[in-house]
Amino acid sequence: DTAVSQTPKYLVTQMGNDKSIKCEQNLGHDTMYWYKQDSKKFLKIMFSYNNKELIINETVPNRFSPKSPDKAHLNLHINSLELGDSAVYFCASSQNGLARTRNEQFFGPGTRLTVL
Amino acid sequence: GQQVMQIPQYQHVQEGEDFTTYCNSSTTLSNIQWYKQRPGGHPVFLIQLVKSGEVKKQKRLTFQFGEAKKNSSLHITATQTTDVGTYFCAGRYGGSQGNLIFGKGTKLSVKP
Repeated sequence: DTAVSQTPKYLVTQMGNDKSIKCEQNLGHDTMYWYKQDSKKFLKIMFSYNNKELIINETVPNRFSPKSPDKAHLNLHINSLELGDSAVYFCASSQNGLARTRNEQFFGPGTRLTVL
Repeated sequence: GQQVMQIPQYQHVQEGEDFTTYCNSSTTLSNIQWYKQRPGGHPVFLIQLVKSGEVKKQKRLTFQFGEAKKNSSLHITATQTTDVGTYFCAGRYGGSQGNLIFGKGTKLSVKP
């Protein structure tokens, strides 16, 4: 049983297209995240979301939008894809609602997006 | 804004040599976490340090949290090829529920 799963694993698409990446966690966590990892391996937080609050990294273009149909899912929609969007996108989750917990983040396997 | 600086960016060692990566914050951290990402994989949680001056060990890995809770290090003794990967520190600000900020990672390669 995969704790945090993402689909698809690979995504190759043309510039200008709109695409979505799905993420599901079965850990019962209250907070989910999207990260972008570029070719230099830098992990940049894009969004964090729980059922109360969406926090957006101000550097993320508004072409990117997270959508959460329920607590276990946080999908990432990307409009008008650009070459610079090529990267690996990681979904993650953690349990942040309790004090004295580790709040460690569990990462999904990643989605490698290539924009041609 | 809050930043966690991590050095070095890359480290190449001969198998059996030691390795250390360092993280620094300009402001006090609530806690710090360390993650390892194997090539082609995803980041995996290793450990969390909370107390000032805390030292924790996991086999050949030693994690330290500075007295001022502004810096941390990960030291690997006698590296093995299985240690290859990118090591990230992630500092938490603003209490146990605060934001987790990842360093840029240190990519370790080990020559057999």
